Amino acid sequence: DQQVKQNSPSLSVQEGRISILNCDYTNSMFDYFLWYKKYPAEGPTFLISISSIKDKNEDGRFTVFLNKSAKHLSLHIVPSQPGDSAVYFCAASEESGTYKYIFGTGTRLKVLA
Amino acid sequence: DTAVSQTPKYLVTQMGNDKSIKCEQNLGHDTMYWYKQDSKKFLKIMFSYNNKELIINETVPNRFSPKSPDKAHLNLHINSLELGDSAVYFCASSQRLIPYEQYFGPGTRLTVT
Repeated sequence: DQQVKQNSPSLSVQEGRISILNCDYTNSMFDYFLWYKKYPAEGPTFLISISSIKDKNEDGRFTVFLNKSAKHLSLHIVPSQPGDSAVYFCAASEESGTYKYIFGTGTRLKVLA
Repeated sequence: DTAVSQTPKYLVTQMGNDKSIKCEQNLGHDTMYWYKQDSKKFLKIMFSYNNKELIINETVPNRFSPKSPDKAHLNLHINSLELGDSAVYFCASSQRLIPYEQYFGPGTRLTVT
């Protein structure tokens, strides 16, 4: 049972444009979410997080939006750069629950120069 | 200065063998994890330790045994390796239990022949 889903396995975007990566979850108890970026042959790198008490969190070119009623979050990258080409994972957890993150299957982003 | 390191990076072995993967973090974190990324690129938690205490033990065959000699180290020992154990294993650490972001090692690609 996949509680965190990233339904787009891949996405291509032109350099300078906006990249939008989506993530859906089914467990309404999830209240903390993270995005990670992963380059080939490396471990995932933390990008940005959001708690369920917020609906938006911004860090430089990266913004995460959370829609709790739709159980949906998205990562916006503006402007996209070729170095952003990587696999992006979203992860979710219950802050006072099971002490574990459930990861999505990832979306491969390719930023075209 | 590597924050989370794993050795070895690649491990090729035959079915039935016993092998270990070592992990060390120099971030002063209290919590460490082992994840398995299978052929479908799905990142799934296996174990977590907090201050050397086992917190999470997912449904993992008991051929897998984690060992935390101190807060900075979490090793993974696998007995009687099977073909299905072939995967990339990631070690990670976080300052505390959730909700803190995790810092991942570079991964160990295990191939069982």
